[in-house]
Amino acid sequence: QLQMQESGPGLVKPSETLSLTCTVSGGSISSSSYYWGWVRQPPGKGLEWIGTIFYTGSTYYNPSLKSRLTISIDTSKNQFSLKLSSVTAADTAVYYCARHRRHILHHWGQGTLVTVSS
Amino acid sequence: AIQLTQSPSSLSASVGDRVTITCRASQGISSALAWYQQKPGKAPNLLIYDASTLETGVPSRFSGSGSGTEFTLTISSLQPEDFATYYCQQFNSYPPVTFGQGTRLDIK
Repeated sequence: QLQMQESGPGLVKPSETLSLTCTVSGGSISSSSYYWGWVRQPPGKGLEWIGTIFYTGSTYYNPSLKSRLTISIDTSKNQFSLKLSSVTAADTAVYYCARHRRHILHHWGQGTLVTVSS
Repeated sequence: AIQLTQSPSSLSASVGDRVTITCRASQGISSALAWYQQKPGKAPNLLIYDASTLETGVPSRFSGSGSGTEFTLTISSLQPEDFATYYCQQFNSYPPVTFGQGTRLDIK
């Protein structure tokens, strides 16, 4: 059964870079059937799509975050990662990784809260 | 970016009620719409995709309809476990993929 687990620091200082990794088990991240993506949710608010990567390394980014965002994939470790630079308090959110086909998010990780604060 | 507007933003209903939530897109998205359910402290869970296709394992009391710019999610007979927040999502035109603002369903 597919499992996805987000990991990374729960506290990041303003202006620094937020880095998260999603580790996938029970399925291969190199499958040509799926894309892998990130979604976030500020406390008490709605969902925001961050971006997506394919096993080949091709990416789709939310234009609102594109200048600060890097999503990468490591097929040898069955992991993909998110880096968001120059963070502010507005980037405080629960960050979810997810597996999808055609941008339909069929399977989600449990989420990890990242707080931006000094 | 395509905007999705859900209505109502919140509603109260009783166990056994029939409930309908609407999602309107700012431009046509064919049938490229999904619905998710989210309970407090949990990740969203896919209910319906392609506007009307039920995800495997989702109870048949959930149904979806619509195409173009107007879509509905219907719960035919509310069960206690259905009280949650519901989001629509479009995947016709990206980036970005976009979500509606959510509809909170509470117990009356």
